[in-house]
Amino acid sequence: SQQGEEDPQALSIQEGENATMNCSYKTSINNLQWYRQNSGRGLVHLILIRSNEREKHSGRLRVTLDTSKKSSSLLITASRAADTASYFCATSQYGSGNTGKLIFGQGTTLQVKP
Amino acid sequence: DGGITQSPKYLFRKEGQNVTLSCEQNLNHDAMYWYRQDPGQGLRLIYYSQIVNDFQKGDIAEGYSVSREKKESFPLTVTSAQKNPTAFYLCASRLGNGETQYFGPGTRLLVL
Repeated sequence: SQQGEEDPQALSIQEGENATMNCSYKTSINNLQWYRQNSGRGLVHLILIRSNEREKHSGRLRVTLDTSKKSSSLLITASRAADTASYFCATSQYGSGNTGKLIFGQGTTLQVKP
Repeated sequence: DGGITQSPKYLFRKEGQNVTLSCEQNLNHDAMYWYRQDPGQGLRLIYYSQIVNDFQKGDIAEGYSVSREKKESFPLTVTSAQKNPTAFYLCASRLGNGETQYFGPGTRLLVL
């Protein structure tokens, strides 16, 4: 079962613009993570936000979490052509113990035009 | 050079054939995971293992089997019972109680 739904499914912007993608989930979580996937490659972890946190920054990335709305957003500022990739949110469900199991959203495909 | 390796990069399966995908890690991670990714979709969990000689089914285990005889290796067999095996398969690992997963480069399985 997939927990996360991402919006938009695809996003195309010009270099230098900001990109915002959203993730909604269904059940209580321990944390929410964002991963990036370049075409045909494995996923790379970007940032993790815990259920008791509201906002987190890492370089040009800003993540927010609203547990009351069961949603998160990822903002990439001053985008570059190299940011072109698919971005996935993944949740660690509350009560999953130490299994480390993650439930992934369907992803947002970002294209940054030079 | 530490990391997770998957082989082969491309794999072709004939009807009725079992095929095995390799996943090896030298990160000394305890837990390992297998995911399936279909075009334009997210990842779905097939199997996972938290310790050697133990593994659990994920959400879509039917038609797949795994083993975990060594800490660094977690091979996935796609059996003939899996009627729609064409997909991108990703292996991941996790250290101890860590919250993030580290992914291999993936294997694309195609049916002849």
